[in-house]
Amino acid sequence: GAVVSQHPSWVICKSGTSVKIECRSLDFQATTMFWYRQFPKQSLMLMATSNEGSKATYEQGVEKDKFLINHASLTLSTLTVTSAHPEDSSFYICSARGPEQGAYEQYFGPGTRLTVT
Amino acid sequence: AQSVAQPEDQVNVAEGNPLTVKCTYSVSGNPYLFWYVQYPNRGLQFLLKYITGDNLVKGSYGFEAEFNKSQTSFHLKKPSALVSDSALYFCAVRDIGTDKLIFGTGTRLQVFP
Repeated sequence: GAVVSQHPSWVICKSGTSVKIECRSLDFQATTMFWYRQFPKQSLMLMATSNEGSKATYEQGVEKDKFLINHASLTLSTLTVTSAHPEDSSFYICSARGPEQGAYEQYFGPGTRLTVT
Repeated sequence: AQSVAQPEDQVNVAEGNPLTVKCTYSVSGNPYLFWYVQYPNRGLQFLLKYITGDNLVKGSYGFEAEFNKSQTSFHLKKPSALVSDSALYFCAVRDIGTDKLIFGTGTRLQVFP
């Protein structure tokens, strides 16, 4: 149980285009989802927290107009990187938590590697 | 503010030997501590957590961690390392105020045959 999927697992896009990454909780209702960014050989940096049906809360320094997060249902959250630039290339990881999991655990997706050329 | 520190960037150990990956924490109040493992190009997998109770926590894949309040540590251990344990390990603490997970910088474990 508690499986989180991400799609796509990797994507290459041209500079200036937008790309959408999906995060799904497959067997539980995710009332809260988190989006992280991980640079090579570095830790995870929280980008934003989204609660189903509410606007996402962004961490300081994260451009909300560039990284659009939508959490429209209890099983799906999307991250759209708008007008992507090479510096947006990174590994993006989502995690999810639901009422069954209690307040202590998050379950992580496998990640999406974005390369902007 | 809550934080965790992983003092070692890399730990090398021979297969069959015991391993320890270190983590220290700084929190106000009772800590909620976690260990995750990340394999190349993959997301994080949950290993174990400490919320309350026994100081020795047993987790997945034969890993365990010892909560030491006096030393503010939560070291990850395994009695006998496997080559397949080679991965990146993250210690994390839950920030009670914001309900977020705060990760350490990660420790790369390399197990040599």
